[in-house]
Amino acid sequence: AQSVSQHNHHVILSEAASLELGCNYSYGGTVNLFWYVQYPGQHLQLLLKYFSGDPLVKGIKGFEAEFIKSKFSFNLRKPSVQWSDTAEYFCAVTTNTGGFKTIFGAGTRLFVKA
Amino acid sequence: DGGITQSPKYLFRKEGQNVTLSCEQNLNHDAMYWYRQDPGQGLRLIYYSQIVNDFQKGDIAEGYSVSREKKESFPLTVTSAQKNPTAFYLCASSIEQGRSYNEQFFGPGTRLTVL
Repeated sequence: AQSVSQHNHHVILSEAASLELGCNYSYGGTVNLFWYVQYPGQHLQLLLKYFSGDPLVKGIKGFEAEFIKSKFSFNLRKPSVQWSDTAEYFCAVTTNTGGFKTIFGAGTRLFVKA
Repeated sequence: DGGITQSPKYLFRKEGQNVTLSCEQNLNHDAMYWYRQDPGQGLRLIYYSQIVNDFQKGDIAEGYSVSREKKESFPLTVTSAQKNPTAFYLCASSIEQGRSYNEQFFGPGTRLTVL
């Protein structure tokens, strides 16, 4: 069965620290990859997505993610986090099979200390 | 102001009762989804609908039912057959199903508690 694994459930960083959140998926075919973010008290929203082309994708608020097909990974990065990045982050994968369902990871809660 | 609305925000139910969660969108999206979010488990798909009068079961459909009589509306009924209904329920939509690169837009969610 297809699955998405996020390695860290909770991450605590100080402001200006660099961030990398891991995401791996299990599916051998064509995938579309997403990172969603849920800020406290707000709707879940898209941070960035990959569906073709350059494997390095840039999103909102200085986030980027790199698709490495050989590693089945789509890690999220930010060079310098801010207090306002405190949120829960979800990696998600959609494939071209199974009715195009989206599979979500368990989420990573990031807390940035001011 | 386009978006997805869910009501109510909080819902309490006694065991053995059915309850219906509302989801409305004014984005003119074809596809709509219901997810259940539990701590440490991410989002799990309950049902989804590609077009009006059509819907498919997701991964955890047992104990739930839906209808899609209008493009804008996709209500979810949590029946008494659902063994562990206390959870946070999210409704989402996307421009069209069948295009795996389309992102989903989410509502604010309904927190259901069974007493």
